[in-house]
Amino acid sequence: NAGVTQTPKFRVLKTGQSMTLLCAQDMNHEYMYWYRQDPGMGLRLIHYSVGEGTTAKGEVPDGYNVSRLKKQNFLLGLESAAPSQTSVYFCASSYGQRELDNEQFFGPGTRLTVL
Amino acid sequence: GQQVMQIPQYQHVQEGEDFTTYCNSSTTLSNIQWYKQRPGGHPVFLIQLVKSGEVKKQKRLTFQFGEAKKNSSLHITATQTTDVGTYFCAGSRDDKIIFGKGTRLHILP
Repeated sequence: NAGVTQTPKFRVLKTGQSMTLLCAQDMNHEYMYWYRQDPGMGLRLIHYSVGEGTTAKGEVPDGYNVSRLKKQNFLLGLESAAPSQTSVYFCASSYGQRELDNEQFFGPGTRLTVL
Repeated sequence: GQQVMQIPQYQHVQEGEDFTTYCNSSTTLSNIQWYKQRPGGHPVFLIQLVKSGEVKKQKRLTFQFGEAKKNSSLHITATQTTDVGTYFCAGSRDDKIIFGKGTRLHILP
């Protein structure tokens, strides 16, 4: 099993460009999450999904959109990138949210720089 | 809203010394998880604590959950260079998980 994979690993964008980050998991997890990690800020939840076809806003959703058309994939889109979106983006997945179900498995991350 | 505070933000210790990081929540938690992130890596699940006053051990790591289920700690005995990284707690309540900002551990040889 590959676990959680993310594509791409690195990306440099110019301000105003758009891009999509892809997250895939092969563990049949219901829940998937997108976080951003900035120095000194820990992990901040952008959006999450509790199942195929559903999405919900997290702590810092502005400037991002997501889609979960297939259970195994969770896409994060930036429609018009801004320098403030320079960050490392982590995708994670879990079976559920209840005790013993909510261990999160993280992908390797995508390092995004917006110039 | 629910907040999870973690202290200290940074800690430098000599190899062989002990290390402790603390996690405090503004509200009662259902459970708490701990993760470790090595430099350049991604967070990896270490353990989950569920019961009030629970204590769990993993070799040199000891995890505690407070009686009121609002605080937790991770203690590492006799640190080694392999312990380098950032340790995050993540508190769960009402089907939401909030991560602390982490404690970055540096080991001095």
